Amino acid sequence: GEDVEQSLFLSVREGDSSVINCTYTDSSSTYLYWYKQEPGAGLQLLTYIFSNMDMKQDQRLTVLLNKKDKHLSLRIADTQTGDSAIYFCAAKSTTSGTYKYIFGTGTRLKVLA
Amino acid sequence: EPEVTQTPSHQVTQMGQEVILRCVPISNHLYFYWYRQILGQKVEFLVSFYNNEISEKSEIFDDQFSVERPDGSNFTLKIRSTKLEDSAMYFCASSDGAYSYEQYFGPGTRLTVT
Repeated sequence: GEDVEQSLFLSVREGDSSVINCTYTDSSSTYLYWYKQEPGAGLQLLTYIFSNMDMKQDQRLTVLLNKKDKHLSLRIADTQTGDSAIYFCAAKSTTSGTYKYIFGTGTRLKVLA
Repeated sequence: EPEVTQTPSHQVTQMGQEVILRCVPISNHLYFYWYRQILGQKVEFLVSFYNNEISEKSEIFDDQFSVERPDGSNFTLKIRSTKLEDSAMYFCASSDGAYSYEQYFGPGTRLTVT
């Protein structure tokens, strides 16, 4: 079945860049997303990329998509302590004619001061 | 900015009891979803709902679960007889169309079954 995988933890120093990686299995996924979840909070959409794009930049965030390898990454430049959170990769599944999201396990980013 | 709201934020219930989790999707949205996240695990799709009927449901969404849009604004998830393993964060989401790039998520309801 469809699946999305991520590494579980990432620790970086404040000011460094963070790169969070994700792989997915559904080659027909049209949209891929990055969500941020802070402790006790809901899912906040950070950014998304359409499957015909290779890269998308939005301020400190850069998303890279390698459709051949089904690999997605999120780079956060100049990481701040406020970026500490769980980051979820999600793929929009188009099987069965409906449009559910398949989420990864989430990557817990810890930013060290 | 319009947002999806959910009530209550935290629900504690005893095993075997019925619970209803409530959501108010964004007003002009037509597609509604429930997801759940067991502590420390993935966010999992439960069900999608359109035009007053279920469009798709996952294996998790068994006969104990039901969804309803009782009026023009609310979207509810009912669990008939809760089990310990139903303890999770339940997220409601809505979108304005099947082709919309974004589902908007609510803040979640934490369900604790004791």
